[in-house]
Amino acid sequence: QGQLQESGPGLVKSSETLSLTCTVSNNPISTYYWSWVRQPPGKGLEWIGFIQYSGSTKYNPSLKSRVTISVDPSKNHFFLKLTSVTPADTAVYYCARGRGGSHSGYYFYHLDVWGKGTAVSVSS
Amino acid sequence: SYELTQPPSVSVSPGQTARITCSADALPKQYASWYQQKPGQAPVVVIYKDSQRPSGIPERFSGSSSGTTVTLTISGVQAEDEADYYCQSPDNNGTNYVFGTGTKVTV
Repeated sequence: QGQLQESGPGLVKSSETLSLTCTVSNNPISTYYWSWVRQPPGKGLEWIGFIQYSGSTKYNPSLKSRVTISVDPSKNHFFLKLTSVTPADTAVYYCARGRGGSHSGYYFYHLDVWGKGTAVSVSS
Repeated sequence: SYELTQPPSVSVSPGQTARITCSADALPKQYASWYQQKPGQAPVVVIYKDSQRPSGIPERFSGSSSGTTVTLTISGVQAEDEADYYCQSPDNNGTNYVFGTGTKVTV
């Protein structure tokens, strides 16, 4: 079973860029959908996006213009960058391992291994 | 935009059955998964591909689907099942992997 650990600054200023790293242990970065999810305080989960080993990415349409997810297979890391942040981006950010695909026009996707999450606050 | 709607809360007595629905906003749904989240913890997948249960998840958790609605059923609810539950499903284009609004289960 793989393990994931998020790291990055806990405080970011408005209009700046939020950058997080997810370190993957006991699991090569291949085959899976390496994903980011966030949860604002007291609110529900929000899917941010994922990257496949091939480099193919999918992003939440509401965040797409500000989000980049990338991967460094040599270091077993993948990354999240969110630009032009505002206090509305304050949340716990989770990285997760996804399993997904499609057949006969039906898509499937689920997140089977999660990091513990890292809290990020955006100051105004 | 694609939305998944869940009831805000479900209350159930120990040993009873809890059913949580997740309805797609529009059109044929894709496969859904369900996550359990306890306070201060990361979510854990309890059902994937509508009805598949990961190893280590108790048999009392089951999933089903009918049309544009999927249902998570917890049979013989235990106190430890008190948590928030979220469904997740891709949209019809496989471009947006939306979470449901979440349901708080109180035992």
